[in-house]
Amino acid sequence: EAQVTQNPRYLITVTGKKLTVTCSQNMNHEYMSWYRQDPGLGLRQIYYSMNVEVTDKGDVPEGYKVSRKEKRNFPLILESPSPNQTSLYFCASSLFGTDTQYFGPGTRLTVL
Amino acid sequence: GENVEQHPSTLSVQEGDSAVIKCTYSDSASNYFPWYKQELGKGPQLIIDIRSNVGEKKDQRIAVTLNKTAKHFSLHITETQPEDSAVYFCAASRGVSGGGADGLTFGKGTHLIIQP
Repeated sequence: EAQVTQNPRYLITVTGKKLTVTCSQNMNHEYMSWYRQDPGLGLRQIYYSMNVEVTDKGDVPEGYKVSRKEKRNFPLILESPSPNQTSLYFCASSLFGTDTQYFGPGTRLTVL
Repeated sequence: GENVEQHPSTLSVQEGDSAVIKCTYSDSASNYFPWYKQELGKGPQLIIDIRSNVGEKKDQRIAVTLNKTAKHFSLHITETQPEDSAVYFCAASRGVSGGGADGLTFGKGTHLIIQP
């Protein structure tokens, strides 16, 4: 089944403790992206990657890092999480040359 | 950058009636306008999209209209059913001109409630 998977789905952590949220897609998509969803703000793009080793900032990149060492994986790294990063995070992917983005199921992160 | 406004934030309709959700955008270079449906506990799922060279697109009970001059687009759902209850998001982007690099700018969402 073609899909985008994220792990973990739920995470509670404390301020300053480094964490990684994984994202993987099995559709051989070149483009991958991370969004955060907050009440009343909709979804906002954090980072995106057009292909392996090619990443760039989205609208709200502060406090986040990403890497794209393999085509199928696009992990989101929070090196020193803070409470304002408590949010619902979505990974998405799309095929180069198309606009349709496919979203993962989401990761709910709480930073205490 | 792009700014997308979406209205209403909540919409309650009787089962069988029609629902209309409206969005406006600010960037005249945007040319791709998808609509996503998000059910509780799930990621957004594309339900229909339209490009700027088309004024209207229909897929069964769902239709989207686009007015480029006024920079607004709307989602129309006819003969609503209980399973249509969800949060709907509109979005805009410049499309694949950048090879898909342009992320989607989303509206803030509409919670659609279908009353039995």
